[in-house]
Amino acid sequence: LAKTTQPISMDSYEGQEVNITCSHNNIATNDYITWYQQFPSQGPRFIIQGYKTKVTNEVASLFIPADRKSSTLSLPRVSLSDTAVYYCLVVYGGATNKLIFGTGTLLAVQP
Amino acid sequence: SQTIHQWPATLVQPVGSPLSLECTVEGTSNPNLYWYRQAAGRGLQLLFYSVGIGQISSEVPQNLSASRPQDRQFILSSKKLLLSDSGFYLCAWSVRAPGELFFGEGSRLTVL
Repeated sequence: LAKTTQPISMDSYEGQEVNITCSHNNIATNDYITWYQQFPSQGPRFIIQGYKTKVTNEVASLFIPADRKSSTLSLPRVSLSDTAVYYCLVVYGGATNKLIFGTGTLLAVQP
Repeated sequence: SQTIHQWPATLVQPVGSPLSLECTVEGTSNPNLYWYRQAAGRGLQLLFYSVGIGQISSEVPQNLSASRPQDRQFILSSKKLLLSDSGFYLCAWSVRAPGELFFGEGSRLTVL
């Protein structure tokens, strides 16, 4: 399983765009990159998943370079309610048998 | 639609007492099931996962055990709790690969 590395914490202000980068140097061909958001005393919530290039949904964008050794979660115009821990996971596409979360990035959004 | 339920939501137990946390999933068949634990201020630690009835894989050696007596039921147990077992326990399910994980509401365990 590919190990992921993320910054421990990030600070931002309301209305700014936030980019959180995840490093996964030994990602395998069949692996997908997935991001989750967790608020205190709640389970993580799926945000976005991608394999290569760019994926966008209603809440975020995911940028994956050609070598796939890193990925960047982009949150447009954050608000105070986006303060949470964000986890990057590398998931084997063949069978979802074991999903390992890293330490995550604590994003603190200030007014 | 699919739902996942965990109980109890909160539990305070003395050291050495037994534990049983239960998780059930509705609205899907043959899900992959997971138990995670999160200590205060820490990340998520995968404890057990199951791909079918009676099939349990353990990730971390400990005094906890898991069972899957029915397709959509996952139980986390301990015969004797330790102080270090305190934490926030989360059950989750997924279906297709590399599909997303859906988490329950969590069970907060305090061992005194």
